[in-house]
Amino acid sequence: DAGVTQSPTHLIKTRGQQVTLRCSPKSGHDTVSWYQQALGQGPQFIFQYYEEEERQRGNFPDRFSGHQFPNYSSELNVNALLLGDSALYLCASSLGGQLDPGDEQYFGPGTRLTVT
Amino acid sequence: QKEVEQNSGPLSVPEGAIASLNCTYSDRGSQSFFWYRQYSGKSPELIMFIYSNGDKEDGRFTAQLNKASQYVSLLIRDSQPSDSATYLCAVSNSGNTPLVFGKGTRLSVIA
Repeated sequence: DAGVTQSPTHLIKTRGQQVTLRCSPKSGHDTVSWYQQALGQGPQFIFQYYEEEERQRGNFPDRFSGHQFPNYSSELNVNALLLGDSALYLCASSLGGQLDPGDEQYFGPGTRLTVT
Repeated sequence: QKEVEQNSGPLSVPEGAIASLNCTYSDRGSQSFFWYRQYSGKSPELIMFIYSNGDKEDGRFTAQLNKASQYVSLLIRDSQPSDSATYLCAVSNSGNTPLVFGKGTRLSVIA
């Protein structure tokens, strides 16, 4: 049973460039959430995709956008990269219909983005 | 603004001792409470979740929840050097709402 996978593992970009990160959810999951974790901080919610629609969004600028494909995999796009975008980007998958408290979100290994 | 507060540490305990990690949260609507362990450079790994007041035990780990005080804690009994990591407290309103994380507490277990 494949868990959550993310690619690439590491990425180095220059300020002003654009980047695309990818995530495949755990088998059987249909919801993908993206988080940004800066060094020394807890993860911060970016947005969540369910049924190919952005269902919820955190306090991130429009430079951050995403997409979900019919196979439930997802992409995170960041335009006009800033130095402050350097972080570990985490993807978490879950079942969209879950309403029970305690149903967990499974995290992928993350993509380390460095902006120079 | 929903907030989750944790002492950043480091919290140092000797091997075999009990480590006590604490977390407070601001949103009274929070229903689910999670403890994640994160090793340096790795992604968070779920240790326990709790959603009812009281204690929940799983092996060497015990999560405690007090909704009236808006307080969650994690106890690690018989601490091992392999428990050395950052422990993240996270809360959510329901199963698929975004997790709100604290900054984490760094735990160091000294052999």
